[in-house]
Amino acid sequence: GAVVSQHPSRVICKSGTSVKIECRSLDFQATTMFWYRQFPKQSLMLMATSNEGSKATYEQGVEKDKFLINHASLTLSTLTVTSAHPEDSSFYICSARVLGGAVGNEQFFGPGTRLTVL
Amino acid sequence: GDSVTQMEGPVTLSEEAFLTINCTYTATGYPSLFWYVQYPGEGLQLLLKATKADDKGSNKGFEATYRKETTSFHLEKGSVQVSDSAVYFCALTPNSGGYQKVTFGTGTKLQVIP
Repeated sequence: GAVVSQHPSRVICKSGTSVKIECRSLDFQATTMFWYRQFPKQSLMLMATSNEGSKATYEQGVEKDKFLINHASLTLSTLTVTSAHPEDSSFYICSARVLGGAVGNEQFFGPGTRLTVL
Repeated sequence: GDSVTQMEGPVTLSEEAFLTINCTYTATGYPSLFWYVQYPGEGLQLLLKATKADDKGSNKGFEATYRKETTSFHLEKGSVQVSDSAVYFCALTPNSGGYQKVTFGTGTKLQVIP
C-alpha cells in the first residue's frame, strides 16, 4: 500500500531556532501533500496544501512566513517552523494524495512529528 | 461548508462489548466518507472508507455504512478488544472539484478495559 514517512519522529529545540520536518511518499508519487497540526486531545487542523513545483496554499490564520513549505519533488515536501516558540509545540502530521487518483481518493498519512519547543 | 459531527467521548467499554460511534456529516453532493484510527503517539491510519451511498466499508471487524438519507456513517464493531483502544476520527472529502480537503470530526476516544 501507499506509505508516507516523516522525519524526524520527535524533535526538541530551543526557542528561536528553526526546525525542518520532512514528509516523503515512499512508493508512490504525490502531486499534493497536506500538512496538519494536532493539539492534545483535539482533531487535526489543516495548515496548508503543498503542490509540487508551486507555492503552498495556506489555510486562514496560518502564518506562511512562520511555517515554510517546500514541495520540491513528487515524493518530498518539507515544513520548516521558523523561529519556533513554545506555543508551536504540537504534533505535525502530513498526508499525500496519490498522483492520478480518482476524485475523492483517500489521503495517506504519515506517522507524525512531535515538536517540543523549550 | 462541509462538516463532520462525532459523538463525544471518551467511550469506555468492557472487552467483547458492542461498539457504536456515531458520525453525521454535512456536505454538498456525494462526498467520500472515512474512518481513521489513531493509536497513542502515532499518526492516523485509514480504518475503512465508503465512496457512494449504501456502500459498506469494513476492516478488522469494524463496519460502517454510507447512509445518504440520514447523512450518517456510524462505526460499529461486534466485539471490541483491548487493542482497539484508540482515538477514532470520522472524515469526508468532496467528490467534486480538484481540491481534496479532508474535513475531520473531533475524534472519539475509545477505551476498552479487560
